[in-house]
Amino acid sequence: AQSVTQLDSQVPVFEEAPVELRCNYSSSVSVYLFWYVQYPNQGLQLLLKYLSGSTLVKGINGFEAEFNKSQTSFHLRKPSVHISDTAEYFCAVGLSGYSTLTFGKGTMLLVSP
Amino acid sequence: DSGVTQTPKHLITATGQRVTLRCSPRSGDLSVYWYQQSLDQGLQFLIQYYNGEERAKGNILERFSAQQFPDLHSELNLSSLELGDSALYFCASSPIGLGAEAFFGQGTRLTVV
Repeated sequence: AQSVTQLDSQVPVFEEAPVELRCNYSSSVSVYLFWYVQYPNQGLQLLLKYLSGSTLVKGINGFEAEFNKSQTSFHLRKPSVHISDTAEYFCAVGLSGYSTLTFGKGTMLLVSP
Repeated sequence: DSGVTQTPKHLITATGQRVTLRCSPRSGDLSVYWYQQSLDQGLQFLIQYYNGEERAKGNILERFSAQQFPDLHSELNLSSLELGDSALYFCASSPIGLGAEAFFGQGTRLTVV
């Protein structure tokens, strides 16, 4: 079975600073990796996904993530955050289009002026 | 708007009662998933249906059940409700395909008093 670990439950950062949200996964087979964002009182929205190919994946709202197979990581980065990026971010792993997604516990990104 | 519709948005009920949560997936999506989100447990996978049949089961209590109807909408039934069942319940749908992402509804917030 696969699992996902998000190492930080909360990441406080100042506006316009860079940020990295960490995600590590474990699986005995190849996986697909996702980052979702949840704004207050809303459902989850896909930020980006890694299926295959280039290990650097670009998503919406200026976010990107890098797949590192040797370190089994899929960290999310943004070079300059905005107040509006304040939200909870979830890393998830899936095995195929038929399988369920396994989510990490989430990282709350708190952007302050 | 993800295209996934959940009703009702909010539900307040008493312990011991039974409720039904409804989900309409995106047009064309055959897979429906139910997740429970609570502060202490995070986002927990409950159950998945694919084209009317149960595909995978997660941490779903015996007091809970679900089904997917021929028109592909799904219902999650929660019975003998306890205070600890208070949570946000999400429905998600996805198309067929390797690495297909899940599209989430806005959730139903259940409060058991």
